[in-house]
Amino acid sequence: NAGVTQTPKFRILKIGQSMTLQCAQDMNHNYMYWYRQDPGMGLKLIYYSVGAGITDKGEVPNGYNVSRSTTEDFPLRLELAAPSQTSVYFCASSPHRESQPQHFGDGTRLSIL
Amino acid sequence: DQQVKQNSPSLSVQEGRISILNCDYTNSMFDYFLWYKKYPAEGPTFLISISSIKDKNEDGRFTVFLNKSAKHLSLHIVPSQPGDSAVYFCAASGELIFGAGTRLAVHP
Repeated sequence: NAGVTQTPKFRILKIGQSMTLQCAQDMNHNYMYWYRQDPGMGLKLIYYSVGAGITDKGEVPNGYNVSRSTTEDFPLRLELAAPSQTSVYFCASSPHRESQPQHFGDGTRLSIL
Repeated sequence: DQQVKQNSPSLSVQEGRISILNCDYTNSMFDYFLWYKKYPAEGPTFLISISSIKDKNEDGRFTVFLNKSAKHLSLHIVPSQPGDSAVYFCAASGELIFGAGTRLAVHP
């Protein structure tokens, strides 16, 4: 009963490097989300997906890209890492959009130096 | 411009007493609210929710109250237990607009 699995848990990048944060869910949920949480702040939505092949921007999409080729996977791509992208990233999923609690992964702590 | 605000960054409560966590919002179109609990190094977990057609929802020791005219909701935990020590986030509607969180410490 894995739920939402995020890898890696920690990563340090140099400015300008790229990487992909992985997210997988095994609950057959249609909706998936990426959030970032900066210190002392709430979670801010980066991108979300309502199903395979469909993605849309959230509140803070700049500097990120996503894809959703399968129901299970929703990777988040950073193309040119910048210090402002140092944060904790959470992936979540839900069966529907409204009135449905989201299930979260345990996060990826990313530092860009 | 925060649409969901949790104005108390921290709260300390004695075990067995009531914990009251508050949340204010600005958008009257929000029609569903949730509370999440977060332990260190873990993702948030769902705690309790309330629809705007209700003013109260209860689940065991946890009760959420909604005052739509004041655009205010609160989470009551009675009685508080040391295991309740965590960061609590309120969130609103579909993609979820999160507050900044309140760190609750329940001490014996």
